[in-house]
Amino acid sequence: KAGVTQTPRYLIKTRGQQVTLSCSPISGHRSVSWYQQTPGQGLQFLFEYFSETQRNKGNFPGRFSGRQFSNSRSEMNVSTLELGDSALYLCASSLGQGAVFEKLFFGSGTQLSVL
Amino acid sequence: SQQGEEDPQALSIQEGENATMNCSYKTSINNLQWYRQNSGRGLVHLILIRSNEREKHSGRLRVTLDTSKKSSSLLITASRAADTASYFCATVSSNDYKLSFGAGTTVTVRA
Repeated sequence: KAGVTQTPRYLIKTRGQQVTLSCSPISGHRSVSWYQQTPGQGLQFLFEYFSETQRNKGNFPGRFSGRQFSNSRSEMNVSTLELGDSALYLCASSLGQGAVFEKLFFGSGTQLSVL
Repeated sequence: SQQGEEDPQALSIQEGENATMNCSYKTSINNLQWYRQNSGRGLVHLILIRSNEREKHSGRLRVTLDTSKKSSSLLITASRAADTASYFCATVSSNDYKLSFGAGTTVTVRA
C-alpha cells in the first residue's frame, strides 16, 4: 500500500504570492490533517478534515486554508505569503477517527521557502 | 503554542545503551503519542498510550504515562545507530481534541 504522498517536495516562493500544497492519503484513509514545522515554533497543528468537512482547526490566520475532496485527497493554500511561512508542511492521514483514537501516518512533507 | 515539553533537548549515547526521554504536558489529555522523525522527513508513529493506561511496550520501546504528574517517558533499550532521530511526544487534548507536539528530543547513537 502506498504511503501518504505530498507534492511538491520543495517549493520556493516570494513574499505576497500564494501557494497550494497537495496531499494524497493512504488508500482507504478518510481523515487528513496538516501541520507546520519550523525551527522556532516546532510542530503546530493547522487543520483536520474528514469526509470533506473541516473537523478541527489550529490557531493560524485566515491566510491558511484547506479543503478535502471526495476521494479524501486534500490541499492546503497559503495566500499572501510572508517570510515566516517558510516551513516544512506535513500532512497526515488516518482511517477515520483522527488522532483522538488512532495513530497518524505522515507524508515526507513539502519544504516551503519564502524569499 | 506547544502543549508538551521534552527533556532532554538532546541526548548522545553509545550503541547498545538505553535512551530515556521525558515529556511533560499542561492540560488533561485523551491520549499521548510518541513519534520519530529522521532528518527533515515525515514523522513515524511509535506508540499511542491512552489516558487510562500506565505503561505500554512495543519491541525495544517502553512508554509510561503518569497523568497525576502530567508526564510521560519513552525508553529505547539496546539502542542502534538507526535509532538516531528526533523524538516527539504529542498529546490529544480532552478539551478540544487537537494534537499538540512537544519540541522534541534529538537522539544520537554513536557506533
